[in-house]
Amino acid sequence: EVRLVQSGAEVKKSGESLKISCQTSGYPFYRHWIGWVRQKPGQGLEWMGIIYPDDSDTRYSPSFRGQVSISVDTTINSVYLQWASLKTSDSGTYYCAHRRPVAGGNLDHWGQGTVVTVSS
Amino acid sequence: QPILTQSPSASASLGASVTLTCTLNSDFSSSNVDWYQHRPSEGPHFLVRVDPSGNVESKAEGLPDRFSVLGSGLIRYLTINNIRTEDEGDYYCATDEGSGDTFVKVVFGGGTKVTVL
Repeated sequence: EVRLVQSGAEVKKSGESLKISCQTSGYPFYRHWIGWVRQKPGQGLEWMGIIYPDDSDTRYSPSFRGQVSISVDTTINSVYLQWASLKTSDSGTYYCAHRRPVAGGNLDHWGQGTVVTVSS
Repeated sequence: QPILTQSPSASASLGASVTLTCTLNSDFSSSNVDWYQHRPSEGPHFLVRVDPSGNVESKAEGLPDRFSVLGSGLIRYLTINNIRTEDEGDYYCATDEGSGDTFVKVVFGGGTKVTVL
């Protein structure tokens, strides 16, 4: 069974750094894409980017390129989303999502979400 | 890039039916569309993928038969029959911008908030 378990809620100040995680299990970690999705309070879902753990091929949404970094640790089957310097506008809930391993696969399994709160 | 337009809200009485719409912009009329359910305090859940003909290309394991889909031109429909309180939440449609090596991102519609009266 595919499972994605995300790290807990974070409360940070503007300018601080942050790295949140998505620990995966139940499938061949190296060969499946994992994406990140943001939901700001009261708003809809926004695609941030996706990574292929086998070679760390990463595709960022143009809106998020340069704003965040996506990485993997293959030793513990985990994917990360990282900020070097948070802004208050980064507050929201962040979800990791597993992409079904077919061409153009849907996002068939999701994490429970990590709430990030950034104050000024 | 694809644009998916959804009505902000929809409601139905317990046991009734509600139909959600997702309208694609014309350049993407041949796109598959995925439907996701997002209940409060949970991660989103994939429900079903609809192909351009309105047929189910794939669906979540255990998806109740109460959920059905159709497609017509630029519109993809998700109908919830015999609606239950657990069906309350936000529903998003989505499709890819680009494919394979030219994949850019997943594009989501604005979401429809479904309320059971």
